[in-house]
Amino acid sequence: RKEVEQDPGPFNVPEGATVAFNCTYSNSASQSFFWYRQDCRKEPKLLMSVYSSGNEDGRFTAQLNRASQYISLLIRDSKLSDSATYLCVVSPRSNAGGTSYGKLTFGQGTILTVHP
Amino acid sequence: GAVVSQHPSRVICKSGTSVKIECRSLDFQATTMFWYRQFPKQSLMLMATSNEGSKATYEQGVEKDKFLINHASLTLSTLTVTSAHPEDSSFYICSASRYRGISNQPQHFGDGTRLSIL
Repeated sequence: RKEVEQDPGPFNVPEGATVAFNCTYSNSASQSFFWYRQDCRKEPKLLMSVYSSGNEDGRFTAQLNRASQYISLLIRDSKLSDSATYLCVVSPRSNAGGTSYGKLTFGQGTILTVHP
Repeated sequence: GAVVSQHPSRVICKSGTSVKIECRSLDFQATTMFWYRQFPKQSLMLMATSNEGSKATYEQGVEKDKFLINHASLTLSTLTVTSAHPEDSSFYICSASRYRGISNQPQHFGDGTRLSIL
């Protein structure tokens, strides 16, 4: 089983649509959670961190359910510029040995295409 | 904001060549840098974690003698792909973290290096 699993899509939606992405992770000791976006042949860029209480940044809302080990991202009023691959990213709990510090585990990404 | 610079952005070379990729943090001191690899239509996979002044920690299945990592200063880490072969062709991306031991801080990614071995 993959450590971080996402529906690869692709999702094709019209401008203005609301779209939701889901992600599950297998390591219950995971500590930090993020959504990144990656444009074609580019580096990933942080979209937002995900907090247990849920958080919103403009048109983007992220939710975390630790009991279910489930993360979601909701995009409202989709724009053409939202077309990208959205990566669910999980970081394990830091440990005294230091080998897990800051390690990120990426899901395979969900492809979103917003069309006119 | 923080900027991480990666060089070169594109490399095309013959099989058997060794290729060095540089990752620099431009406006902060990076105690930890990470090297990832991404094959087409796949996700980023962590290759190794590099801490300034100490040996890199490699992920399972990554050959440390094949992928040499040096992190001699707080602003520079290098990845050398030794005797590269076509199967090493990939997108290599570094990221840098300001903090050691704090996993909830986002990392800053370089632009990536697209390596093609003929």
